[in-house]
Amino acid sequence: EVQVVQSGAEVKKPGESLMISCKTSGYSFTTYWITWLRQMPGRGLEWIGTIDPKDSETKYSPSFQGHVTISVDKSVITAYLQWSSLKASDTAMYYCARLDYSGSLGWLDPWGQGTLVTVSS
Amino acid sequence: DIQMTQSPSSLSASVGDRVTITCRASQNIDNYLNWYQQKPGKAPNLLIYAALHLRTGVPSRFSGSGSGTDFTLTISGLQPEDSATYYCQHSYTTLYTFGQGTKLEIK
Repeated sequence: EVQVVQSGAEVKKPGESLMISCKTSGYSFTTYWITWLRQMPGRGLEWIGTIDPKDSETKYSPSFQGHVTISVDKSVITAYLQWSSLKASDTAMYYCARLDYSGSLGWLDPWGQGTLVTVSS
Repeated sequence: DIQMTQSPSSLSASVGDRVTITCRASQNIDNYLNWYQQKPGKAPNLLIYAALHLRTGVPSRFSGSGSGTDFTLTISGLQPEDSATYYCQHSYTTLYTFGQGTKLEIK
């Protein structure tokens, strides 16, 4: 069974750093890109960026470029999303999802259960 | 960026009803359109990919159609467990964007 399992909820202060994780199983890790998404409280879904685990090629939404970093560790088949300096506005639920595909068509499946990040002084 | 607009933003329907949600892209996206269902407090789940293909395990009362800029998600024979928010999402360019969501309530 293909699964992506995310790390647990985090409570941080503004200015702190954070890395959350997305551990995969049940498929060849380097065959599918991993995508990170944000959902702010009561809001819709936003695409943060996506990474190719094969060579760590990464693509970011302009809205998030420079504020977050996406990475992978192939040895533990895990993707990461990190911040060097959190802001209160980073408070949100963060999801990772495998980017499944057929030719050039792509879709997100499955999704992780989400990691709630709360940033508050 | 490609903008995705869903309508309606919310709707209420009864068990057994047929419900249609529409999604319009700001430019042609061929069939690069996916639909997701999100229940309260849960992660989204894929329903339909490439505009009309039902994900394995999704009930056949869900169907998708459309191409180009206009797409629909139809639920035929609404069930209580279909109460959720539904999102469309394009994959035509690298910067995937989602519609704002349609909240479906069961009367």
